Formats: sequence, C-alpha cells, structure tokens
Amino acid sequence: GENVEQHPSTLSVQEGDSAVIKCTYSDSASNYFPWYKQELGKRPQLIIDIRSNVGEKKDQRIAVTLNKTAKHFSLHITETQPEDSAVYFCGMNTGFQKLVFGTGTRLLVSP
Amino acid sequence: DTEVTQTPKHLVMGMTNKKSLKCEQHMGHRAMYWYKQKAKKPPELMFVYSYEKLSINESVPSRFSPECPNSSLLNLHLHALQPEDSALYLCASSQHGQSSYNEQFFGPGTRLTVL
Repeated sequence: GENVEQHPSTLSVQEGDSAVIKCTYSDSASNYFPWYKQELGKRPQLIIDIRSNVGEKKDQRIAVTLNKTAKHFSLHITETQPEDSAVYFCGMNTGFQKLVFGTGTRLLVSP
Repeated sequence: DTEVTQTPKHLVMGMTNKKSLKCEQHMGHRAMYWYKQKAKKPPELMFVYSYEKLSINESVPSRFSPECPNSSLLNLHLHALQPEDSALYLCASSQHGQSSYNEQFFGPGTRLTVL
C-alpha cells in the first residue's frame, strides 16, 4: 500500500538529549525516504534523505538509518537544541514523482 | 534564486467566488506540485505537472483546476469551494529525474479560508 506509519506522534526531550523518530512502510518498491522539518507557520524543509542503496546517512547532528528488509527507517537527532522544536514528517516515494508523508511527530525540546 | 514563492499568503473567499493561487520558481525545475495541508496533518498531494503537462491528479474535485502556463509558473484556480476546503495550500518543485527521486522544494503556502 501507499501508507507510511510514523511514531511517536509527540516527543518531549530535554536540551542535549537525543531524539529518535521511526517510520514503517509496506511498499517494497519505495526507494527514496526524505525527512522534512516544518516549524509553526512555515514551509516544510528537507533536512536529510536516504536512498534504498544506502543503510545510513549522517549530517552533523542528524542521521537517518534505513532497514529495507524490515521496511523501516528512523531519524536520529543528537544533542537536541530548542530550535529543533518543530513537526517532523517522514516521507517515501510511491512511484515516480509521488511522495507520501507520515502523520508527523511534534518534537519539543525544553531548555 | 533557490526559492519557491507563492501568492497570496492569505486568502479568504466565499463559496461562490472564483480565485487563483500562484506559484513561481526559477530553479529550472521541470516538475511542480500542489499539496493541501490541514492543521496538524501532513501535506497531501493534489496534482503533479511534468514538463508543463499534468501527470498526476489525485482524484481532486473539479472545483480545483490546476494550470501550468510555463516552466516557472503554476496556478491553482478555485471555484465554488466548500468550507472544508479551508487549508494551507503548498506548492513544490523538483528536478525531473528519470531514474531517481529528487528533493522537493516547498513554497511558504497560501492559507485559504472558505466562508
């Protein structure tokens, strides 16, 4: 199917802690998995993405891991800061040009 | 220019009005998208244009009519909308890859209220 499940729906952490958000999918043909950050009243912005030929990708404090066999991928944010507070959406392609988003995770980082 | 722009930022319209949303990009992208986003929900794909031709219509009601007059512009014409159509309408663009998926760049959106 064309669904991607995302958990948790809300996540509260203390500044400096790590945050992990997980998405699972069922379409084995999907080969592109982006993560978008959307601050309140702002546009979604890509923060990291991964393609199916790679198991892990890292960019400073942000990393994404992909397990194609188990059909799940996760976003890892280390040393969280208050400015990381936002809604995070995972995504996957379900065909050429078609992107489906997860239900979103509201991350709150408290100082 | 690495941004997608959208006008207007806010729009209030009655159910009998006709209005249009506009989107523009100058990144040379040949794929453009319209999404609808309700509060606390993810963006939902409405339409995809590839090389100025409509390639995907996600069974959107005909009261929404997209148009791509050239490679930089995307319009969404609105007519006889319902209050439940109130939402944030996001435009996005991406390179047109043949074998792989490409990053979509989103505009700031138009917040639409239908009275």
